[in-house]
Amino acid sequence: NAGVTQTPKFQVLKTGQSMTLQCAQDMNHEYMSWYRQDPGMGLRLIHYSVGAGITDQGEVPNGYNVSRSTTEDFPLRLLSAAPSQTSVYFCASSYPRFGERNEQFFGPGTRLTVL
Amino acid sequence: SQQGEEDPQALSIQEGENATMNCSYKTSINNLQWYRQNSGRGLVHLILIRSNEREKHSGRLRVTLDTSKKSSSLLITASRAADTASYFCATDGNAGNMLTFGGGTRLMVKP
Repeated sequence: NAGVTQTPKFQVLKTGQSMTLQCAQDMNHEYMSWYRQDPGMGLRLIHYSVGAGITDQGEVPNGYNVSRSTTEDFPLRLLSAAPSQTSVYFCASSYPRFGERNEQFFGPGTRLTVL
Repeated sequence: SQQGEEDPQALSIQEGENATMNCSYKTSINNLQWYRQNSGRGLVHLILIRSNEREKHSGRLRVTLDTSKKSSSLLITASRAADTASYFCATDGNAGNMLTFGGGTRLMVKP
């Protein structure tokens, strides 16, 4: 199993550009999430999905869109990049467990710089 | 806002010593999890403790949970240089499907 994969590993954008961060998992996990990690801030949840066709907002969703057309893929779209979106982005997946979140498996991250 | 807050923010010890990190949280939880992050890498799950458990062990790791104080601690015994990493607590509870992370403790183990 490849686990959770993310592409690209590094990306530099100019303000106003759009792009899609890719995330895929081969563990047949129902739950997938996107986080951003800023220095000294820990991880903050952007969007998450509990299954194909179902997505919901996390703590910091503004400026980002997601979709979940398959169990395996959960892309994150930046609509119009801003310098405040400079961060490291992590995708994670997990098995569902009734009534609570299970351990999450993280991808290696995408380092995004917006100039 | 962050649910979990780790203490200390940074910790430096010698190889062989024990390392203790603490996590405090604000609302009721279903479970609390600890993760490790090596520099430039993704997070790796270490251990999960449920709200009805008080202590859990995994190898050199010992986790305690005190729901009355809304706090948890992670103890790494006989530390090694390879334990150098950031450690995060994450809580599951107040928003159902959300796992909320703290700011982390940066641990440095000197050989």
